[in-house]
Amino acid sequence: KQEVTQIPAALSVPEGENLVLNCSFTDSAIYNLQWFRQDPGKGLTSLLLIQSSQREQTSGRLNASLDKSSGRSTLYIAASQPGDSATYLCAVFFNQAGTALIFGKGTTLSVSS
Amino acid sequence: DGGITQSPKYLFRKEGQNVTLSCEQNLNHDAMYWYRQDPGQGLRLIYYSQIVNDFQKGDIAEGYSVSREKKESFPLTVTSAQKNPTAFYLCASSGGGSPHFGDGTRLSIL
Repeated sequence: KQEVTQIPAALSVPEGENLVLNCSFTDSAIYNLQWFRQDPGKGLTSLLLIQSSQREQTSGRLNASLDKSSGRSTLYIAASQPGDSATYLCAVFFNQAGTALIFGKGTTLSVSS
Repeated sequence: DGGITQSPKYLFRKEGQNVTLSCEQNLNHDAMYWYRQDPGQGLRLIYYSQIVNDFQKGDIAEGYSVSREKKESFPLTVTSAQKNPTAFYLCASSGGGSPHFGDGTRLSIL
């Protein structure tokens, strides 16, 4: 069964720290991997999408890497801010047919000022 | 602006009652999805549809039903057979690329 695991489940850091969120998946034959942000009681906002042929994607202070051979992705957040506080979800398309994403349970990040 | 609209934002269900959650998109996407989110559980797939008049069960379809009569609309009915319906429900659509999500409906039991 295809699974996506995120570690840690929760993380608290002071403002300004650089941090790494981890995502692992059980099947290396993925189509793409996506990182989302979810604020409490809200829907999901896409942060970064990495195609299976790519190794990383960057947007502002965010950098996501993908290592298919080891079944891992990391989301790096530089110079964290209180506004970064949210739940971060990793999701994997295991095929192109659109039979939906498999989501991890998320990492809840709290950045204190 | 293009996007996905879910309504209502909050919904309450009485025992034995069926309720329907609305999901409408104007992105011209073929695929649409319904997810259920429980605290600490992440998102779980209920149903998905890749074309009009066709839909498939996801991992937790029992107690739910859907229809896809129009490309723009994918309503989800939570039936009385769903014994634990309290959750946050998210609808998404995809045109083959990155999915777009609605803002969700929170369903509670009276």
